Amino acid sequence: AQKVTQAQTEISVVEKEDVTLDCVYETRDTTYYLFWYKQPPSGELVFLIRRNSFDEQNEISGRYSWNFQKSTSSFNFTITASQVVDSAVYFCALRNSGSARQLTFGSGTQLTVLP
Amino acid sequence: AAGVIQSPRHLIKEKRETATLKCYPIPRHDTVYWYQQGPGQDPQFLISFYEKMQSDKGSIPDRFSAQQFSDYHSELNMSSLELGDSALYFCASSPGSNYGYTFGSGTRLTVV
Repeated sequence: AQKVTQAQTEISVVEKEDVTLDCVYETRDTTYYLFWYKQPPSGELVFLIRRNSFDEQNEISGRYSWNFQKSTSSFNFTITASQVVDSAVYFCALRNSGSARQLTFGSGTQLTVLP
Repeated sequence: AAGVIQSPRHLIKEKRETATLKCYPIPRHDTVYWYQQGPGQDPQFLISFYEKMQSDKGSIPDRFSAQQFSDYHSELNMSSLELGDSALYFCASSPGSNYGYTFGSGTRLTVV
């Protein structure tokens, strides 16, 4: 069985602060894929990043960065210099490489960035 | 670029009615997924289709059924609707097993 845990239910920061969203996963597979999605108040799911289990390089995209640590089964997401528009629910998700290709989502973290 | 199209965007139904949600995947994507997201919940996998055949099934009630047609669009049929079926229903498509998913904007179903 696989599981994704996002222990932070809600986080509030003031604009321009940095914030890290935690994600811990469980899987028995050696090959798997990790994702982050953003869900703004309008409701759509916006793809942010996909990372496979063999690629432990950290990634930076503008103000976003991701830290993948296989040793601790974590895939944390940091927003630098947060902005009000970053306010959303952020989901971490896991997919195994087998025939069942559906995503298992974490429970999400509601991020509120205050002006 | 083309995205995943879902219709309708909003739907209000009464208890015990039926509803049909439609999904048009990105062209040349071979897999379609349906997810249900209840209020304040994470999306839960319902069912998926690969090349028009059902490929996997999640926590989909027996009152729900789905299919994928020859033009690759998919429909989720929901009968005997209950209040608890009120949720955001997402469709996603994927071009292959090693790629990410593209989600549609979702259909918000309200059962009254």
